[in-house]
Amino acid sequence: SQTIHQWPATLVQPVGSPLSLECTVEGTSNPNLYWYRQAAGRGLQLLFYSVGIGQISSEVPQNLSASRPQDRQFILSSKKLLLSDSGFYLCAWSDRGGQPQHFGDGTRLSIL
Amino acid sequence: TQLLEQSPQFLSIQEGENLTVYCNSSSVFSSLQWYRQEPGEGPVLLVTVVTGGEVKKLKRLTFQFGDARKDSSLHITAAQPGDTGLYLCAGAGRYNFNKFYFGSGTKLNVKP
Repeated sequence: SQTIHQWPATLVQPVGSPLSLECTVEGTSNPNLYWYRQAAGRGLQLLFYSVGIGQISSEVPQNLSASRPQDRQFILSSKKLLLSDSGFYLCAWSDRGGQPQHFGDGTRLSIL
Repeated sequence: TQLLEQSPQFLSIQEGENLTVYCNSSSVFSSLQWYRQEPGEGPVLLVTVVTGGEVKKLKRLTFQFGDARKDSSLHITAAQPGDTGLYLCAGAGRYNFNKFYFGSGTKLNVKP
């Protein structure tokens, strides 16, 4: 069966520090991969998605970036975090063709 | 830009009552998913609807996709405290079905 791992679960970072969140998927090949951000109790905002290694689509211009160095690995990064980057970050995968997504447990990011 | 509006935003009901959550858009979607999310966790897929007019039942939950594939509803019969959570609808793009658009969410509280 397929599983998705996302870490860390919580992270507290100072303003201006770098960020690296990692997401890996097991049990499937060539998945679509997604990064979302969620405000408390609200819907999800799509940040990036990828349909293959090295292929990244950016949905929201900001100081975040994403990379897919391996088929089942998706990384969310920033060189300098802003206060507005605080939130709940979720990674998801789906089969090719836009099938329903399956989510990781999320990372709660707090910027101080 | 495709936008999904969910209503109501908040719903607090007594155990045993029925309820309906709506997900509306002016855009057509290739498919639509409903998710339930607990605090601090990732959303969990409940159902996918693909065909206009489609109705799916999952125990006490009934999902309907509008004939024009622009809207959907979730009806819960005899709600239970275990149904408490954030309900999210998400539509896959009509022309880019790798991309998903999430509604703003409905926070349901079922009191015993």
